[in-house]
Amino acid sequence: KAGVTQTPRYLIKTRGQQVTLSCSPISGHRSVSWYQQTPGQGLQFLFEYFSETQRNKGNFPGRFSGRQFSNSRSEMNVSTLELGDSALYLCASSLAQGPVGDEQYFGPGTRLTVT
Amino acid sequence: QKEVEQDPGPLSVPEGAIVSLNCTYSNSAFQYFMWYRQYSRKGPELLMYTYSSGNKEDGRFTAQVDKSSKYISLFIRDSQPSDSATYLCGGSNYKLTFGKGTLLTVNP
Repeated sequence: KAGVTQTPRYLIKTRGQQVTLSCSPISGHRSVSWYQQTPGQGLQFLFEYFSETQRNKGNFPGRFSGRQFSNSRSEMNVSTLELGDSALYLCASSLAQGPVGDEQYFGPGTRLTVT
Repeated sequence: QKEVEQDPGPLSVPEGAIVSLNCTYSNSAFQYFMWYRQYSRKGPELLMYTYSSGNKEDGRFTAQVDKSSKYISLFIRDSQPSDSATYLCGGSNYKLTFGKGTLLTVNP
């Protein structure tokens, strides 16, 4: 069974631009969560989608948004990019609504650099 | 105070050593606890998952949770160079909260 896939793997953007990242979960998984990973803050929860609805949200500004499609694929959008948004963005999928009580499987991440 | 605190290391041990990785947490609402392993340039990989105090063993890995002292541990027996990675501990109520990770190097 294929794992979680994320595209693109690497991205360089300029401050003020916007970016869209894509995540395809493991087949059959309905929950998708997004995380930001930086050396300073570690791995931080952004939001979680289940059945096309955002179920949980972390403490990030409204510039960070996402959506989930009927096939469970998810996209994450960051508008008005700031230098501090440079990070590894990870997507994780699980069978049911997670992460409580369910195991999450991570993709390889998208490395975003903002210049 | 961060919800999950983890010593970032780095930790360097010889092959065959027993490794002890530790975290503390402050959120009493955490119901589930997990350890992830992350190799360089890869996404985190689930190692251990537990929802109660006590020990859980899987091969060379043992996870230990003490809810009374809010302490999470991971023990690696007979450590191998392939265990060299960053280890992330986490707790969950409705969302996963991670420590910053401990970088482990096992030297042949």
